[in-house]
Amino acid sequence: DGGITQSPKYLFRKEGQNVTLSCEQNLNHDAMYWYRQDPGQGLRLIYYSQIVNDFQKGDIAEGYSVSREKKESFPLTVTSAQKNPTAFYLCASSMGAWDRAATGELFFGEGSRLTVL
Amino acid sequence: AQSVAQPEDQVNVAEGNPLTVKCTYSVSGNPYLFWYVQYPNRGLQFLLKYITGDNLVKGSYGFEAEFNKSQTSFHLKKPSALVSDSALYFCAVRDRIYNNDMRFGAGTRLTVKP
Repeated sequence: DGGITQSPKYLFRKEGQNVTLSCEQNLNHDAMYWYRQDPGQGLRLIYYSQIVNDFQKGDIAEGYSVSREKKESFPLTVTSAQKNPTAFYLCASSMGAWDRAATGELFFGEGSRLTVL
Repeated sequence: AQSVAQPEDQVNVAEGNPLTVKCTYSVSGNPYLFWYVQYPNRGLQFLLKYITGDNLVKGSYGFEAEFNKSQTSFHLKKPSALVSDSALYFCAVRDRIYNNDMRFGAGTRLTVKP
């Protein structure tokens, strides 16, 4: 079945440590996204990538880093510079801007919950 | 820039009654509107979208939404609520179909009581 796989589902981190969240998709989508979800705040965009080897900052990129070395993979690193990293992180993908079949909706993974101890 | 407002944090309905989850939007161009549902500790699932055409859009699980351009609204509706509809619902908007800037509302928690 096609979809987006995020791992790990739960992650605990000590202050000062970097952690990397994995996101893999087999939908053959060009665009991928990382969102952060906090209670009562909806979803906020961290980073997005429209194509391999290219990515752009979203609204809250400080303290995060990403890479896009393969079309199917878009890992997110939460660095020690992120002051309040405890949150639910969601990865999503969509068809690219140049795809005539694009219909606009995002497809989401199951999320990764990060807790800083 | 586009934005979305979901004026109700919480909506409570009895099973079998109709439900409405409200959404209003602000966008400079033509809106592309979406509804998603989220169950506890899960990702978001796509329910339905409005791109163009008929103002009444039908989606998954018996949900529908009505696009009202004059009121800049896109309310989610279902004629008869189920207990299993209890979840967190998000409205989202983008001003182009492939614009990376999709904006989400804060979410509305729907509780359906037996």
